[in-house]
Amino acid sequence: QKEVEQNSGPLSVPEGAIASLNCTYSDRGSQSFFWYRQYSGKSPELIMFIYSNGDKEDGRFTAQLNKASQYVSLLIRDSQPSDSATYLCAVNPPNTGNQFYFGTGTSLTVIP
Amino acid sequence: KAGVTQTPRYLIKTRGQQVTLSCSPISGHRSVSWYQQTPGQGLQFLFEYFSETQRNKGNFPGRFSGRQFSNSRSEMNVSTLELGDSALYLCASSPRPGGTETQYFGPGTRLLVL
Repeated sequence: QKEVEQNSGPLSVPEGAIASLNCTYSDRGSQSFFWYRQYSGKSPELIMFIYSNGDKEDGRFTAQLNKASQYVSLLIRDSQPSDSATYLCAVNPPNTGNQFYFGTGTSLTVIP
Repeated sequence: KAGVTQTPRYLIKTRGQQVTLSCSPISGHRSVSWYQQTPGQGLQFLFEYFSETQRNKGNFPGRFSGRQFSNSRSEMNVSTLELGDSALYLCASSPRPGGTETQYFGPGTRLLVL
């Protein structure tokens, strides 16, 4: 069983719509969760992190965490063509220092 | 504040050679982690260094090694290169280890093994 699973997509949404990206993880003791965006040919760029159950909002981005169900999601409101990228979910299981486990990423295309 | 820097950015080697990649973390950051990214396996953790000590190591063969210097700069070395080592090697820095620290990635070194 993979540590972190994401739908690989591709996910296509029209400009202005809400994009919803989901991620599940296997280690119930995990405490830290991160979303990274990676444009083609570039390195991952941090979008958000979340540690507590519930929602965390930052501009057009909202991260949602449900530890009981072991899932974390990312909502992108008012999607823009510049949001087209691969989104990586990362989880830091307990007692692993800064070792992050990454999902394989969800490819998002925002259609103008 | 300057970001994470990695050198070289691109590298072409042949099978059997060895390679050394360098990473300078964000100023003030003392933890450096290395990841390998390939299309098939995604991002996989190689190792983490803090205070010149390796704290964690991923599931990679002993051909992959690293070290960290007193100024927090880090190097990783791959010996006896194999075709499957072709990948994007990413360095990530964070202020300290601890599991809740955000990691910031450098631009990566793209290695091609022929």
